Amino acid sequence: NAGVTQTPKFQVLKTGQSMTLQCAQDMNHEYMSWYRQDPGMGLRLIHYSVGAGITDQGEVPNGYNVSRSTTEDFPLRLLSAAPSQTSVYFCASSYSNRQNGYTFGSGTRLTVV
Amino acid sequence: EDKVVQSPLSLVVHEGDTVTLNCSYEVTNFRSLLWYKQEKKAPTFLFMLTSSGIEKKSGRLSSILDKKELFSILNITATQTGDSAVYLCAGGGATNKLIFGTGTLLAVQP
Repeated sequence: NAGVTQTPKFQVLKTGQSMTLQCAQDMNHEYMSWYRQDPGMGLRLIHYSVGAGITDQGEVPNGYNVSRSTTEDFPLRLLSAAPSQTSVYFCASSYSNRQNGYTFGSGTRLTVV
Repeated sequence: EDKVVQSPLSLVVHEGDTVTLNCSYEVTNFRSLLWYKQEKKAPTFLFMLTSSGIEKKSGRLSSILDKKELFSILNITATQTGDSAVYLCAGGGATNKLIFGTGTLLAVQP
């Protein structure tokens, strides 16, 4: 099993550019989420989804969009990148009962200049 | 507003010491408390606790939840240099989303 796959691993963007961070899981998990991790701030929830076609906002949703057209994929879109979005982004997934915890992807390090 | 607070922020110990990491939480419709270990990359799952007073163990690591006082502790006995990491605590509510604390940075010196 591949688990949770995130691409790309590294990305540099110019202010105002848009891009999509990809996340795919092959464990048939219902729940998927996106976090950003900044020094001293821990992991903060951006958006999450409890199943295909259902998404909701987390703690820091501004500047990001998501969609969940399939169970496997949960892309995160940056609409107009800003330096404040420089961060490490993690995608995570789990079964709805969370019994085995959440599985995290390896992360995407994004720098906005 | 939901929040999870961990203490201490950082800790330096010597190999063989026992450490206790603390996590307090305020999570709407609380369902579970999770512990993760994060080294260089992605967090890896350690424990999930849902019932108060029941200890979960895995080797030298153990954790317990107190739902009345809204906290959890993670114990590591006979620490090793490989235990050096950031330990994250997260609270889960009814909607499955997790709220994380800022973590405890543990450094184990030889």
